[in-house]
Amino acid sequence: DVKVTQSSRYLVKRTGEKVFLECVQDMDHENMFWYRQDPGLGLRLIYFSYDVKMKEKGDIPEGYSVSREKKERFSLILESASTNQTSMYLCASSFRGMTYNEQFFGPGTRLTVL
Amino acid sequence: DQQVKQNSPSLSVQEGRISILNCDYTNSMFDYFLWYKKYPAEGPTFLISISSIKDKNEDGRFTVFLNKSAKHLSLHIVPSQPGDSAVYFCAATFGGSNYKLTFGKGTLLTVNP
Repeated sequence: DVKVTQSSRYLVKRTGEKVFLECVQDMDHENMFWYRQDPGLGLRLIYFSYDVKMKEKGDIPEGYSVSREKKERFSLILESASTNQTSMYLCASSFRGMTYNEQFFGPGTRLTVL
Repeated sequence: DQQVKQNSPSLSVQEGRISILNCDYTNSMFDYFLWYKKYPAEGPTFLISISSIKDKNEDGRFTVFLNKSAKHLSLHIVPSQPGDSAVYFCAATFGGSNYKLTFGKGTLLTVNP
């Protein structure tokens, strides 16, 4: 079974702090994604990566950056956390050869910025 | 501009009845459509998919119908069970080397015992 793990289930940070969210997948997937989920807004793509060292902006990249130094690990960085970044953050991965691009999701990190 | 729309934020049905969740899309270039199910405090899990060259795909109690001319798809759950209560997301993808999924906003399904 594909497993995508996220470093924390719940996180509380202060405004202005630098925040790191870590994601690891164990199925050798090439593609990795970071989303945020907010009530009434669904899943919005922040950043994604097709390969090590590669990154692409999603729909809402402002205020975020990412790092992918190893194939299995994709990190989301909030350079200076703000209250409007309070959200559920979801990491996903997918296999490049899959026809319909099924993504496998981690359990999510509920981030609260005070 | 929202390319995948789920216009019903919520749906409530009785156990044993049919649940029908709807999804509309605007981009005719989408090649595949997926449904995901999400319980609170968990990540979404893949449920069922359909290719744009088909009009129906069935997996147990779940059936997805695609009407390309109307740019509309629907997920039918028969019979509905209380454990089906979750948020359901419709997603679309172009396939090929474009690996992104475009998600709708989700529909909260509540199945009452």
